[in-house]
Amino acid sequence: SAVISQKPSRDICQRGTSLTIQCQVDSQVTMMFWYRQQPGQSLTLIATANQGSEATYESGFVIDKFPISRPNLTFSTLTVSNLSPEDSSIYLCSVEDRETAVHYEQYFGPGTRLTVT
Amino acid sequence: TQLLEQSPQFLSIQEGENLTVYCNSSSVFSSLQWYRQEPGEGPVLLVTVVTGGEVKKLKRLTFQFGDARKDSSLHITAAQPGDTGLYLCAGSMEYGNKLVFGAGTILRVKS
Repeated sequence: SAVISQKPSRDICQRGTSLTIQCQVDSQVTMMFWYRQQPGQSLTLIATANQGSEATYESGFVIDKFPISRPNLTFSTLTVSNLSPEDSSIYLCSVEDRETAVHYEQYFGPGTRLTVT
Repeated sequence: TQLLEQSPQFLSIQEGENLTVYCNSSSVFSSLQWYRQEPGEGPVLLVTVVTGGEVKKLKRLTFQFGDARKDSSLHITAAQPGDTGLYLCAGSMEYGNKLVFGAGTILRVKS
């Protein structure tokens, strides 16, 4: 399975500012995903990032608020813009390991805990 | 409405007890994954089940995929404090590229 790292591991930011989260994978992957998670709760998919194309956003998430870059097959960034306290959450990146057309798994980074004051 | 209904939401048990977590859906999944997450870390994949009726064992953990591939269960025998964490089931739809997650089960095993 892929080894995934995220930077920063945690941050405290003031409202109105932005935070960029980096996700680095130790192997080339086609699909990368960004999730948001409240502590102790399930994951909510923000967007899917393919290398060389625009990210695909889920309902309720927009590019202006969560711009994503995917410059190569091992790296992606998620920016959370114009921060408000409601953005305080854990942000996770994951990668897809697809064994067949219908069978795949996802592996997750350690997460970035964001607190907005 | 959650596509994958996971229950119970919270479980607090004594060391040595057995427990079962369920994930149910009206939809068919091509595969289903179980993850365990500890505070401050990302979810860690425990197992993937792909065949209807499949049973997989991982030490004291037993995973089962329903015959119709609509439901799954995780059974832990003789729970240990180290089993404490958030357990998540996640299903992949046929020809899809997104996982559908259950709401999660917070397990606390007291010594």
